[in-house]
Amino acid sequence: DQQVKQNSPSLSVQEGRISILNCDYTNSMFDYFLWYKKYPAEGPTFLISISSIKDKNEDGRFTVFLNKSAKHLSLHIVPSQPGDSAVYFCAATGGATNKLIFGTGTLLAVQP
Amino acid sequence: GAGVSQSPSNKVTEKGKDVELRCDPISGHTALYWYRQSLGQGLEFLIYFQGNSAPDKSGLPSDRFSAERTGGSVSTLTIQRTQQEDSAVYLCASSLAYGLAEYTQYFGPGTRLTVL
Repeated sequence: DQQVKQNSPSLSVQEGRISILNCDYTNSMFDYFLWYKKYPAEGPTFLISISSIKDKNEDGRFTVFLNKSAKHLSLHIVPSQPGDSAVYFCAATGGATNKLIFGTGTLLAVQP
Repeated sequence: GAGVSQSPSNKVTEKGKDVELRCDPISGHTALYWYRQSLGQGLEFLIYFQGNSAPDKSGLPSDRFSAERTGGSVSTLTIQRTQQEDSAVYLCASSLAYGLAEYTQYFGPGTRLTVL
């Protein structure tokens, strides 16, 4: 069963607009969440994270929101830039281990 | 400083052959993780090391898969008698330590394994 779900396989956004990527999880033991960005033929690059004690974390153009009651998190990118075009993975960890459980990714295309 | 490196970057092998994949973590990182990404799938956890020991091997898909780490540094993932379903990108990550989720995992570029 998929404990971390990214239901949108792809998203297309105009340059300068907001990109919103969504992620849902099922395991209530998860207490730390991360977003990674991946370009083709490269490994994932850490982007931003959030602890379950917070509901928002911001870093420059990137903001992650966490709604624990809904078991939902989202990544906002404002303003979107063509260089943001990549696959974005949501990941979660918690409990006795910090192995990362990943979603299947969302391909973001930012159109110039 | 240098990031996580993996070799080879690409490996093509015939079904039934053994393969070894290598990972060099970031210097000073005590925790090391192996993941794999099969076509159309997310990243799947395989095994993690704390130092040279592997407390969590729960993600290894079968007993054909094994991994070791020596000197608290380099790790090798070995797949024996490869099958076509083993075809995937194998990713290695390292973090400063283990036990605190805040220790971000940094990934290498991966090894793309193709089993014919």
